[in-house]
Amino acid sequence: AQSVTQPDIHITVSEGASLELRCNYSYGATPYLFWYVQSPGQGLQLLLKYFSGDTLVQGIKGFEAEFKRSQSSFNLRKPSVHWSDAAEYFCAVEARRGGNEKLTFGTGTRLTIIP
Amino acid sequence: KAGVTQTPRYLIKTRGQQVTLSCSPISGHRSVSWYQQTPGQGLQFLFEYFSETQRNKGNFPGRFSGRQFSNSRSEMNVSTLELGDSALYLCASSGEVPYEQYFGPGTRLTVT
Repeated sequence: AQSVTQPDIHITVSEGASLELRCNYSYGATPYLFWYVQSPGQGLQLLLKYFSGDTLVQGIKGFEAEFKRSQSSFNLRKPSVHWSDAAEYFCAVEARRGGNEKLTFGTGTRLTIIP
Repeated sequence: KAGVTQTPRYLIKTRGQQVTLSCSPISGHRSVSWYQQTPGQGLQFLFEYFSETQRNKGNFPGRFSGRQFSNSRSEMNVSTLELGDSALYLCASSGEVPYEQYFGPGTRLTVT
């Protein structure tokens, strides 16, 4: 069965600083990987996804993520955070078997931005 | 295109009652998935429907059920509510781009 680990429950960074959120996955085949963001009281918004090909993927809001098969990681990065980036971030892996869609999520990382 | 909509947004029920939540997917999307989000268990997959058929199911008791209509709208039902069913229930739809799920704002269910 697939699983996702986000080792950091809470991260605090200063506005303008760089950000890296860690994600490690466990999956038997080539994974489909995602990062979602959730603001308080809201649903999840897709930031970016990796299916295949170039291991560095660009997403919305200036985020990027790098897939590293050797480390089973898919870390999310942003060179300079803005106060509006404060939210909870979820890494997810897709288990696609016979056409069924099912996302398995990590426990999330809450991001706090300080002025 | 309008996004995924969920109704109602907030709901308060009493233990033992049942509840029905509704989800309207993005126009043209045929797959609808449901997730439960709680502080203790995080985001957990409930089930997925495609063309009115349940394609996948998570590890939830039979009190949790769902269905999908011919217009792809979906409902989920929880019978005999328990306090532990208090959660944010999220619906997601996906369409031509496979594996890419778009989420609604969720329904916040409180069971007292």
